[in-house]
Amino acid sequence: EPEVTQTPSHQVTQMGQEVILRCVPISNHLYFYWYRQILGQKVEFLVSFYNNEISEKSEIFDDQFSVERPDGSNFTLKIRSTKLEDSAMYFCPSAVEEGEVYGYTFGSGTRLTVV
Amino acid sequence: GQQLNQSPQSMFIQEGEDVSMNCTSSSIFNTWLWYKQDPGEGPVLLIALYKAGELTSNGRLTAQFGITRKDSFLNISASIPSDVGIYFCAGRGEAGNNRKLIWGLGTSLAVNP
Repeated sequence: EPEVTQTPSHQVTQMGQEVILRCVPISNHLYFYWYRQILGQKVEFLVSFYNNEISEKSEIFDDQFSVERPDGSNFTLKIRSTKLEDSAMYFCPSAVEEGEVYGYTFGSGTRLTVV
Repeated sequence: GQQLNQSPQSMFIQEGEDVSMNCTSSSIFNTWLWYKQDPGEGPVLLIALYKAGELTSNGRLTAQFGITRKDSFLNISASIPSDVGIYFCAGRGEAGNNRKLIWGLGTSLAVNP
């Protein structure tokens, strides 16, 4: 069964540093998302991406965040200047189409620890 | 904004018991989803519900989409130790800006063998 692949699985970074989280969505999927989950809390929507542009973003996704699909396969989330409160699990599910729930597949995520 | 209230927050049960958890929303959803998350893993979809009143089963799991479209429940029958984990409900609204998933806070399930 196809899987979403995220790298690295765990990243530790100094506060104020830039990080790039990488994701390889399932190959025929068209809709891409980033969600985060602070330890012990609920999953929170960050941003959705379709047709090479952001289609929706949450209030969490401020100017410190950006997304890119640089080469048609990878989908990245950049945090320009990390804060302690950015420590969380980050997930990048993808979907074939907006209505195709079963294509909404999560990978194992990247655990970001900001120290 | 849209919010989901999921209850109970945690449950500790004996193996073989049935479990029930539910979610209620402040607004209408068109889709209700139930996920299970194991430690260190991403959420895994258990059941998806698309129509008000829909009742869907997946093995020992049964979920229903409430008639009002503002609630859903998940039942697990005859629990086993591997049912341990955190169960999340998630809902999705109309097309356009409400297509993102809104998540509940999760129900942590512990099963005593």
